[in-house]
Amino acid sequence: DIVLTQSPLSLPVTPGEPASISCRSSQSLLHSKGNNFLDWYVQKPGQSPQVLIYLGSNRASGVPDRFSGSGSGTDFTLKISRVEAEDVGVYYCMQVLQIPLAFGQGTRLEIK
Amino acid sequence: EVQLVESGGGLVRPGGSLRLSCAASGFTFSDAWMNWVRQAPGKGLEWVGRIKSKSDGGTIDYAAPVKGRVTISRDDSKNTLFLQMNSLKTEDTAVYYCLAFDYWGQGTLVTVSS
Repeated sequence: DIVLTQSPLSLPVTPGEPASISCRSSQSLLHSKGNNFLDWYVQKPGQSPQVLIYLGSNRASGVPDRFSGSGSGTDFTLKISRVEAEDVGVYYCMQVLQIPLAFGQGTRLEIK
Repeated sequence: EVQLVESGGGLVRPGGSLRLSCAASGFTFSDAWMNWVRQAPGKGLEWVGRIKSKSDGGTIDYAAPVKGRVTISRDDSKNTLFLQMNSLKTEDTAVYYCLAFDYWGQGTLVTVSS
């Protein structure tokens, strides 16, 4: 089974400062057709998860351009160029390449 | 607008059964591969299982912790996904979400307790 390891697990950030979350996979998530089957979600307090990035680096509709995803194979990064108060929540990476699908442990972003 | 609305959660005794539903709208349900994901109180997200579209074979896969105790099914005529849960354990207590493409429902809470 594929295991995803996120770091850090807790991320205190000052508003306006950048933030970065790493997601490492125990196996390559690069599909033979060239896409990385790795998505990023955020779960804001009291809400369901919502997609930020799909296939490694594609920003979902309506997601602010301060969010970006990068990486390939086994190493992926979610970056927020300038954190805002509304970005508070838990961020998860999810692999959708093979069964069983799997999530990282989650990274809790808080505002300093 | 994509909408996923789960229902059927509640309090059930250990060893009991429960059937969850997920009513979908805003997309072609019959073409969608549908997932169930759960989240225990204060914990992270855990994939439960997936059913492919009939046109893609209708294959159903389950996570190891629930395999043999849960059954995922779909009714494409009613745009509804189901999760039949049997032999429930206290560790099955969680909010259960349905997930289609990148869209999530609001979840339904299942509490297994004596």
